[in-house]
Amino acid sequence: DVKVTQSSRYLVKRTGEKVFLECVQDMDHENMFWYRQDPGLGLRLIYFSYDVKMKEKGDIPEGYSVSREKKERFSLILESASTNQTSMYLCASRPLGALDTEAFFGQGTRLTVV
Amino acid sequence: AQSVTQLDSQVPVFEEAPVELRCNYSSSVSVYLFWYVQYPNQGLQLLLKYLSGSTLVESINGFEAEFNKSQTSFHLRKPSVHISDTAEYFCAVRKILQGAQKLVFGQGTRLTINP
Repeated sequence: DVKVTQSSRYLVKRTGEKVFLECVQDMDHENMFWYRQDPGLGLRLIYFSYDVKMKEKGDIPEGYSVSREKKERFSLILESASTNQTSMYLCASRPLGALDTEAFFGQGTRLTVV
Repeated sequence: AQSVTQLDSQVPVFEEAPVELRCNYSSSVSVYLFWYVQYPNQGLQLLLKYLSGSTLVESINGFEAEFNKSQTSFHLRKPSVHISDTAEYFCAVRKILQGAQKLVFGQGTRLTINP
């Protein structure tokens, strides 16, 4: 089975802190994604990466950056956390190729910024 | 612009009753549609998908969805729900934007099953 692992289930950080959310997948997938999930808004794409050291902005990249130094690891960085970044963050991976391949999701990291 | 709209944010039903979760998408030349389910405290799992061919697709746990091109809909149905179906359900469409494939999600529908 494909496994996508997010390093933390719950995080509490202070406003202004630099926050790292880590995601690792074990199936050699080329594509990796970071979403945030908020009630009534569904999942919104923050950033995605289709290869090592490659990244593309999603729909809501402001206040975030990403790092993909190795194929299996995709990190989401909040340079200076703010309370409006309190949310559930979901990482996903998918192999490169046909449009019919599904995305596999991690269990999510619930981040609270106080 | 929103590509996927789930019309109901919450749907409460009684156990063994039928349910329909509604999803409409923005029209596009090629459409690949998905339903994902998120059980409490878990990540998202693929429930079913429509790529081409038969417009009725089924999952292994009794859900089905019908692709209706004229109504741009992909509603999810189950004839008789179980307590274990309590979850949040997300409709999604795969689109090619700026040369890359992206999954665009609806707002989600929280399905609550009452005994």
